[in-house]
Amino acid sequence: QKEVEQNSGPLSVPEGAIASLNCTYSDRVSQSFFWYRQYSGKSPELIMSIYSNGDKEDGRFTAQLNKASQYVSLLIRDSQPSDSATYLCAAPDTGRRALTFGSGTRLQVQP
Amino acid sequence: DARVTQTPRHKVTEMGQEVTMRCQPILGHNTVFWYRQTMMQGLELLAYFRNRAPLDDSGMPKDRFSAEMPDATLATLKIQPSEPRDSAVYFCASGLVLTSGAYEQYFGPGTRLTVT
Repeated sequence: QKEVEQNSGPLSVPEGAIASLNCTYSDRVSQSFFWYRQYSGKSPELIMSIYSNGDKEDGRFTAQLNKASQYVSLLIRDSQPSDSATYLCAAPDTGRRALTFGSGTRLQVQP
Repeated sequence: DARVTQTPRHKVTEMGQEVTMRCQPILGHNTVFWYRQTMMQGLELLAYFRNRAPLDDSGMPKDRFSAEMPDATLATLKIQPSEPRDSAVYFCASGLVLTSGAYEQYFGPGTRLTVT
């Protein structure tokens, strides 16, 4: 079992809707979680970090962390076609302190 | 505008040839990571360094891959000899350590390697 699991999608939402991306992780010790956005042919770009239970908002993005259930989610409000990308969830590999990445969810925002 | 730089951006080479990829981390970051990304395997960690010392290279095929950090502004990843299965995008990332011990990582643009 992979340490970080994501639905590969594609997740298709209409422009202006809320996109909800989910991620589960297996390591209960993990304290920090990250969301990266990767456009086709480009490198991953860090868009959100979350370290404590609850919600963290940054513009149209909200990260949600539930440590008891071991999941982290990313909500994108007022989705735009420019949000169409693959979103990667990442959590620390406890033993190595490097990040383990999920396989990514491809988001398509339909104009 | 601080960013990670990587060279070359694209590399096409024949099987058996040596390939060297270079990375300049963000100034002030003391940790450098090398990743490989393919459609089949996704993003895989190959190796990482902290303060120029290798901390983990367990993700790297030892017989043909080597990673070094000769100074704080340069990290290198070398493949010798290269094989077609090495074709992938290789990313370098540099990081800041958090109080939790994890790292916020910032990725370079990548080197797209094709081995024929």
